[in-house]
Amino acid sequence: GAVVSQHPSRVICKSGTSVKIECRSLDFQATTMFWYRQFPKQSLMLMATSNEGSKATYEQGVEKDKFLINHASLTLSTLTVTSAHPEDSSFYICSAIQGANYGYTFGSGTRLTVV
Amino acid sequence: AQKVTQAQTEISVVEKEDVTLDCVYETRDTTYYLFWYKQPPSGELVFLIRRNSFDEQNEISGRYSWNFQKSTSSFNFTITASQVVDSAVYFCALSEGQAGTALIFGKGTTLSVSS
Repeated sequence: GAVVSQHPSRVICKSGTSVKIECRSLDFQATTMFWYRQFPKQSLMLMATSNEGSKATYEQGVEKDKFLINHASLTLSTLTVTSAHPEDSSFYICSAIQGANYGYTFGSGTRLTVV
Repeated sequence: AQKVTQAQTEISVVEKEDVTLDCVYETRDTTYYLFWYKQPPSGELVFLIRRNSFDEQNEISGRYSWNFQKSTSSFNFTITASQVVDSAVYFCALSEGQAGTALIFGKGTTLSVSS
């Protein structure tokens, strides 16, 4: 079945640094990628939707300059958390679809801790 | 207003008990899709079921069953003869309009099954 590889699975970074999270579709072309954030014991909140080759669409309240999303190819999307702060500590998870009639494939998630 | 409501925050049962997780959704679209996912402590999302708005047939898969009722905008999930391995957070999610739009998640229900 479809697989999305998400790396890293865990990362600890210092406050003020940037962190890049990668999601790679291994056996299909992801026309659309979704990025979610999940705080402890809470739901998954959609951050942005990205389509290959175009700018990401961010949800209200999500700072696009802080959370940079790049979907330059049909198999790779990246989320960069710039100038990370402790409040950015969260579980980030990506989801990809191959096309409108295909299911959603989720990455395994990245647990970001900013110290 | 929440589009997906999972009123039960936490449920605790003893092994072999049946348990029903409730999900109520809200949408103005006539075409939509409903999902259930399981999230074990490791964090990855496990796909359980997808239903489109035109298919109200109930579904059974082993110990799992789903009851979709458009009249009450509900898509409830029942686990029969629960097992300790069923302990996880369960999310109900909605995708509105044509297939392939972002999933909107409920807040999740934490199920604890004790032996």
